[in-house]
Amino acid sequence: AQTVTQSQPEMSVQEAETVTLSCTYDTSENNYYLFWYKQPPSRQMILVIRQEAYKQQNATENRFSVNFQKAAKSFSLKISDSQLGDTAMYFCAFMKLMEYGNKLVFGAGTILRVKS
Amino acid sequence: GAVVSQHPSRVICKSGTSVKIECRSLDFQATTMFWYRQFPKQSLMLMATSNEGSKATYEQGVEKDKFLINHASLTLSTLTVTSAHPEDSSFYICSARVTLAKNIQYFGAGTRLSVL
Repeated sequence: AQTVTQSQPEMSVQEAETVTLSCTYDTSENNYYLFWYKQPPSRQMILVIRQEAYKQQNATENRFSVNFQKAAKSFSLKISDSQLGDTAMYFCAFMKLMEYGNKLVFGAGTILRVKS
Repeated sequence: GAVVSQHPSRVICKSGTSVKIECRSLDFQATTMFWYRQFPKQSLMLMATSNEGSKATYEQGVEKDKFLINHASLTLSTLTVTSAHPEDSSFYICSARVTLAKNIQYFGAGTRLSVL
């Protein structure tokens, strides 16, 4: 079974600075997807960024970028120019490609607090 | 982006009653929807995968008769918590997979269930 590990329960960063959230996963699959989701205090899950395992190029979405190391099974999220609105719980998630369902497996989450 | 509507956002009920939660994909068709449960400050735990027109697939340890799932159309899945008890109090979140596209799951805003 796939597992996703987020080793940082809580992180804090000063506004406008850069922070990196770590994520490792365990799988024997070669083809899969990785995601970072954000859950702010409203508890609405929001997709931050997505990475396809067969793509070597790291995904970027504005201030958000990932460092995908397939051999090391590592998928960290870098947030640049942190903003107060980035304060949230961040979940790393793994998706194995299946015939039906394509279930997401979530990590335990990292609470990120952006300080002014 | 794709919008998933979940209703109600909050429900309080007496022990022994049943509660129905609706999950709708508003601007896309979703052959597959997912139901999660989340305890405070914890990760999302998949309860079941709901496929349109067929029986739901439940995760190990989830009581099928307690959590009834119906996916009658391509835009609606419902979760009914039957004979609710205080230990069923939790945050329930649905998600829908955008058919034929990029294996992305979009999430509803969640339902906070409190059983008295």
